[in-house]
Parts: sequence; C-alpha cells; structure tokens
Amino acid sequence: ETGVTQTPRHLVMGMTNKKSLKCEQHLGHNAMYWYKQSAKKPLELMFVYSLEERVENNSVPSRFSPECPNSSHLFLHLHTLQPEDSALYLCASSQLGQIYNEQFFGPGTRLTVL
Amino acid sequence: DAKTTQPPSMDCAEGRAANLPCNHSTISGNEYVYWYRQIHSQGPQYIIHGLKNNETNEMASLIITEDRKSSTLILPHATLRDTAVYYCIVKGNAGKSTFGDGTTLTVKP
Repeated sequence: ETGVTQTPRHLVMGMTNKKSLKCEQHLGHNAMYWYKQSAKKPLELMFVYSLEERVENNSVPSRFSPECPNSSHLFLHLHTLQPEDSALYLCASSQLGQIYNEQFFGPGTRLTVL
Repeated sequence: DAKTTQPPSMDCAEGRAANLPCNHSTISGNEYVYWYRQIHSQGPQYIIHGLKNNETNEMASLIITEDRKSSTLILPHATLRDTAVYYCIVKGNAGKSTFGDGTTLTVKP
C-alpha cells in the first residue's frame, strides 16, 4: 500500500448505529486530518492531529469522535448520526515542521445516513 | 491564511493549454501558493506549489506574478482526464488547507 488509504470506501448506516472510519498513511508524515465534503460544498476541515495530539477541532458535533493511536493511523468514530451528516469524508496527511507541506489525501469514504 | 478568488468554471479544448487563474491579493511574505485538483468524488490531488519563482513539474506549471498577488496554473496539453475541480490555496507552514469553491475545468474533445 502506498499513500493514504481509507476504509471502508462506502458506508450506509442508520441513525442509531455506531461505526468507525479508518485512515492509514504510508508516507511517514507526522500530521493527519479529517475533512468533510457535503454535496456541492467546499471541503470543511474537521480535525487536525499533530504528533498524535489533537490540535484543532472545528466545532464538530460530539457525535463525531476522532482517535489517533499513532502517527500512521486515524479513526473517526460515528454514533447517532443525522441524515445531514451524509457526505464524503476525506483523510489527509502531511509533514509539519517543513517550510512547505503539501497534503496527501485518501480516496474518501462515502457515508450515507438513513 | 490568505483568501483566494478563482473563476467558478472554465472550458478548454483537448490538446490545448489550460490556464487557470487565481487571485490572492492578501498573501503574506511567508505564504506559499498550492494547487490541488479533485476529480469527481475522489480525494484532492496535490499538483504543484510555489513561493515566488515560477515552478514546473510533470503535471503542470505555476506562474506567480512578481507582486505575488496572483498566479496561473498551466496544464500544457489538457486531456479529458484533466476535467476536475482545481483549487488554489495559500498558506504558511501550518498543515491544514482551507478550500474554497475552486474552478471547475471541463476539457472538451
């Protein structure tokens, strides 16, 4: 595996379900990100992890719970979601501490909440 | 991070150069210009970045004006597979990127 991988690629869940999205980066980066992209809207930054510490939480509802057990893995735990949470969830990684730091994105998880 | 302005859409004929403009008049001295593209329902893909000099890689060229208030991404020979939303982002050394609406480029046969 190379780059940034995300599983599952597609997920359908009910409002009472609990599920988790997984992201893994194989680039040796020290920062990871979750973005949400709703239909016809720009990407919205949700969470930022730097060296496994959460450094940013952009007013995301508590029904979204991130976890970063190590620098290569990032999870987004979902519970009691609403239909408006249906979106493409994108994970990214980058190497902080450099003058420039492009982000590398995974393919995304297409989430549908019924 | 500085705000950017891009046209919402552009068309380009296959095989011709696609020139995508971006205005970033409030860019500060330590901020870089990054370009990404997103093909339908996929994750954004990094294309190129620059500070003040023009840059070229295997995907594209980036032309930054001398005052750094605007830039142009050039795809020298556009193909149908270059149809995507192109995002111009300006940021310092923080990792996160703030995405706007981008430019939807449609390459036509």
